[in-house]
Amino acid sequence: DIQMTQSPSSVSASVGDRVTITCRASQSISTYLNWYQHKPGKAPNLLIYAASSLQSGVPSRFSGSGSGTDFTLTIGSLQPEDFATYYCQQSYITPQTFGQGTKVEIK
Amino acid sequence: QVQLVQSGSELKKPGASVKVSCKASGYTITTNAINWVRQAPGQGLEWMGWINTNTGNPTYAQGLTGRFVFSLDTSVNTAYLQISSLKAEDTAVYYCARVEYYDSSGYPNWLDSWGQGTLVTVSS
Repeated sequence: DIQMTQSPSSVSASVGDRVTITCRASQSISTYLNWYQHKPGKAPNLLIYAASSLQSGVPSRFSGSGSGTDFTLTIGSLQPEDFATYYCQQSYITPQTFGQGTKVEIK
Repeated sequence: QVQLVQSGSELKKPGASVKVSCKASGYTITTNAINWVRQAPGQGLEWMGWINTNTGNPTYAQGLTGRFVFSLDTSVNTAYLQISSLKAEDTAVYYCARVEYYDSSGYPNWLDSWGQGTLVTVSS
């Protein structure tokens, strides 16, 4: 199985901050990497697919980059509604594994 | 618009069975695969597997025993997850999610629409 490792596990930030989350795959996954936002009691929400494509309706402050084994999700200017847990997921090979999650908390 | 609506919360005793439904609307369920993902209390998201909604063929994550079954009823545009011989460690929120694809090759793909989740609690 491909292991997905996110860092940091949690981050404290203020509204307006730039936040970067990284995701590393245990083997190359090309650009088959997706990012989701998950809030308690809600369904996960797709933010970025295929490493860098912004899902329709997602604010442009979210961006993704990377290929191979190293990927990043950047929130350009953190907004109050962005406090949540973020997961990366590889769709290169079954099983499609998720990272362990990064919780973005209010500073 | 595309929507997946899941059945409500369940409280079951160990050894019982449960069947979670995932009804699709806004599209025909046979056009996109359905993935199942769960989140145990205090844990992250875990990919459980997927069902090819065109053929009905399921694929399960390794480690998921034969107690888990993915199925379909295309006449009502609905996918199902059945868990038998429930154990306390099956307590989790279970999500269905639709797979979207870049092109006809099926890759890359992503989960573009999710059900609201079904809490299954197993307790005596």
